[in-house]
Amino acid sequence: NAGVTQTPKFQVLKTGQSMTLQCAQDMNHNSMYWYRQDPGMGLRLIYYSASEGTTDKGEVPNGYNVSRLNKREFSLRLESAAPSQTSVYFCASSQSGGRETQYFGPGTRLLVL
Amino acid sequence: RKEVEQDPGPFNVPEGATVAFNCTYSNSASQSFFWYRQDCRKEPKLLMSVYSSGNEDGRFTAQLNRASQYISLLIRDSKLSDSATYLCVVSPPWAGNMLTFGGGTRLMVKP
Repeated sequence: NAGVTQTPKFQVLKTGQSMTLQCAQDMNHNSMYWYRQDPGMGLRLIYYSASEGTTDKGEVPNGYNVSRLNKREFSLRLESAAPSQTSVYFCASSQSGGRETQYFGPGTRLLVL
Repeated sequence: RKEVEQDPGPFNVPEGATVAFNCTYSNSASQSFFWYRQDCRKEPKLLMSVYSSGNEDGRFTAQLNRASQYISLLIRDSKLSDSATYLCVVSPPWAGNMLTFGGGTRLMVKP
């Protein structure tokens, strides 16, 4: 049972490049989330998907787009990367609502030069 | 004011010590509270939920004080393996599916 998986683990981008972060869960969870974690800032929610077919903005959605491809997969896209998007990105899932335990993936470390 | 505030530490304690962390939250109507643990360069993992009556899990005790809007985590008989960052997490009433994370308190347990 892999839980929540993320790819890639590390990525270096140049300003203006695009990329997609992939996330998949095998726990049959309905809700999925994308967070970013910066030193001293804690985890901040970028986007979430309460159920397949729905997505909603979180606290810091600017510069990002998401796709809930199916129940298992939730991707995060940076269309034109900026140095301010240098961060560690975590995907998480929960059975239904955010008040339940969220299970996190191992994270993607992104550096934008 | 941040929605969830924690002392970033680090708290440096010897093995066997008792250590306590507090966390304050700004929205008095918040309903759900949690402590997550995050090891260095790893993902956060749920340590325990925090219930109104307080709850204990082995060496860990969590308390909620609604009047003063803070939650606490007490760790007894600290182990080297307890060294980590402890994240205070709150679900405000308006948040629906969202959780709000504090910045974390770093604990270092020394031999």
